Amino acid sequence: NAGVTQTPKFQVLKTGQSMTLQCAQDMNHEYMSWYRQDPGMGLRLIHYSVGAGITDQGEVPNGYNVSRSTTEDFPLRLLSAAPSQTSVYFCASSYSMGRNTQYFGPGTRLTVL
Amino acid sequence: EDKVVQSPLSLVVHEGDTVTLNCSYEVTNFRSLLWYKQEKKAPTFLFMLTSSGIEKKSGRLSSILDKKELFSILNITATQTGDSAVYLCAVEPNSGGSNYKLTFGKGTLLTVNP
Repeated sequence: NAGVTQTPKFQVLKTGQSMTLQCAQDMNHEYMSWYRQDPGMGLRLIHYSVGAGITDQGEVPNGYNVSRSTTEDFPLRLLSAAPSQTSVYFCASSYSMGRNTQYFGPGTRLTVL
Repeated sequence: EDKVVQSPLSLVVHEGDTVTLNCSYEVTNFRSLLWYKQEKKAPTFLFMLTSSGIEKKSGRLSSILDKKELFSILNITATQTGDSAVYLCAVEPNSGGSNYKLTFGKGTLLTVNP
């Protein structure tokens, strides 16, 4: 199993550009989440999904969209990038039942100029 | 709103020292508390705690939960330079439905010097 994969690893955008961060998992996990991590802020939940076709907002959803058309993929879209969205983005997944250990992807470091 | 506060925010020790990291929380309908270790990449899972007073152990690391006082501690004995990392605490609410989300603390940066 590849686990949770994220692409790209690094990205630089200009203010106003849009892009999609990709996340995929091959563990047949139902739950998937997107977090951002800023210095001194810990991890903050952006959006999450409890299964294909079902998504919900987390703590900091503004400026981001998600969709979950398949169990495996959970892309995060930045509609119009802003410097405040400069951060490291982590995708995570877990089973719905039992031990709810979240497995994290390697992260995407995004810089918005 | 769920809240997690970790202390200290940073800590510098020498190899061989014992350290205690603290995590206090406020959460609606507590389900579990989790500890993660984060080096220069993604967080990796350490422990999940659901019941008070039951210590979880893994080698030199151990953790315990106090649901009455709403806190958890993570102990690391005989620290090594490889223990240097950010340690994250997170809580999971029991919403009773299909919702699932973690609230993380800001983390404790542990530096172990040789």
